[in-house]
Amino acid sequence: GEDVEQSLFLSVREGDSSVINCTYTDSSSTYLYWYKQEPGAGLQLLTYIFSNMDMKQDQRLTVLLNKKDKHLSLRIADTQTGDSAIYFCAERRDNQGGKLIFGQGTELSVKP
Amino acid sequence: DAGVIQSPRHEVTEMGQEVTLRCKPISGHNSLFWYRQTMMRGLELLIYFNNNVPIDDSGMPEDRFSAKMPNASFSTLKIQPSEPRDSAVYFCASTSTATFDEKLFFGSGTQLSVL
Repeated sequence: GEDVEQSLFLSVREGDSSVINCTYTDSSSTYLYWYKQEPGAGLQLLTYIFSNMDMKQDQRLTVLLNKKDKHLSLRIADTQTGDSAIYFCAERRDNQGGKLIFGQGTELSVKP
Repeated sequence: DAGVIQSPRHEVTEMGQEVTLRCKPISGHNSLFWYRQTMMRGLELLIYFNNNVPIDDSGMPEDRFSAKMPNASFSTLKIQPSEPRDSAVYFCASTSTATFDEKLFFGSGTQLSVL
């Protein structure tokens, strides 16, 4: 399909790991991104991964990329209440002028 | 840097009125994007510019919507006439195509309510 897809909701307990999944559509995408949106704010870039990588780790964040299945995941270790937000994955469509197409977002709720 | 600056933060207007949203990209960025966010449709790309030139406006809903970028530091998105279904949060974002990863930086958005 044409859409970048994510599950809509995820609820975890504080201190647990969170895993947010995403499937994208363009196998030629060179970059894939994770953005975070807190209530009433714009999207903030969290991390990104280049398409020739399988994994990228950045402090509590781990991004896994499966190019064959066009599957991207974001793992947040030791999830905190401050991590509660909406998380968007995005693919850069190089065959469409490099525009970013976003998933519908996953709302992460962290319970104390 | 102040980041991407959008104005106004909130706009309430009546159906049929003209609405103009404004954006100042980050200095030095040469690509600018307008997105619309709603509960039903998520984040939709409306239009984007490279070096002040519109590249792809296929996401613009209809002729009531128009966007301009008269110079590298300013863009507008205009809706005329506005309708209740245009109510949404409109985001502007910018990036530099000179950087290898072209990370997108977003403004805080304009919350538009059309009554």
